[in-house]
Amino acid sequence: SQQGEEDPQALSIQEGENATMNCSYKTSINNLQWYRQNSGRGLVHLILIRSNEREKHSGRLRVTLDTSKKSSSLLITASRAADTASYFCANGRQGNLIFGKGTKLSVKP
Amino acid sequence: DVKVTQSSRYLVKRTGEKVFLECVQDMDHENMFWYRQDPGLGLRLIYFSYDVKMKEKGDIPEGYSVSREKKERFSLILESASTNQTSMYLCASSPTKTYNEQFFGPGTRLTVL
Repeated sequence: SQQGEEDPQALSIQEGENATMNCSYKTSINNLQWYRQNSGRGLVHLILIRSNEREKHSGRLRVTLDTSKKSSSLLITASRAADTASYFCANGRQGNLIFGKGTKLSVKP
Repeated sequence: DVKVTQSSRYLVKRTGEKVFLECVQDMDHENMFWYRQDPGLGLRLIYFSYDVKMKEKGDIPEGYSVSREKKERFSLILESASTNQTSMYLCASSPTKTYNEQFFGPGTRLTVL
């Protein structure tokens, strides 16, 4: 399987804390993307980092990419209860995206 | 804003029935995708299409077919539904052939009895 892997599978934190999720992938990539999915809904694109970038920020999100280790991390700072969702990384292959299995984040008020 | 709509949020069908799942996007995207999502398995690509009347198999095409007669519409067909096709089905679209952001519909939760 070419699927990436997110780590941890589940994460529970208190509101205000930072949440860090990691993603590993197997093949060379064009870019790596992170998506969010609220329970029972479709996925929403959060951020894209290209293979020649090492770090990218968007609001409270910070993504890093280490192509030598084939890994990426997503940091959500000052988490809120509304951040409770599943988070998926996805990397490109032949024009398509391969999604990982996701990290389920629970932020308690 | 890009909008991807799916014909049903919830669907219940019987084993052996022919099932049509419809997906429509309103942003003139070339690419459209069908995934299924199961607990512990993540998203798996069933079929995708780069253009009208074109289709490509994804990772798990068995038991499914697709149709893309118009650019905005991509249909997933279960010729003879089986219980192991009970799942959440997600449609997505993206603007070009490269690894661009995909825009997802809300999903259809299909139960096959």
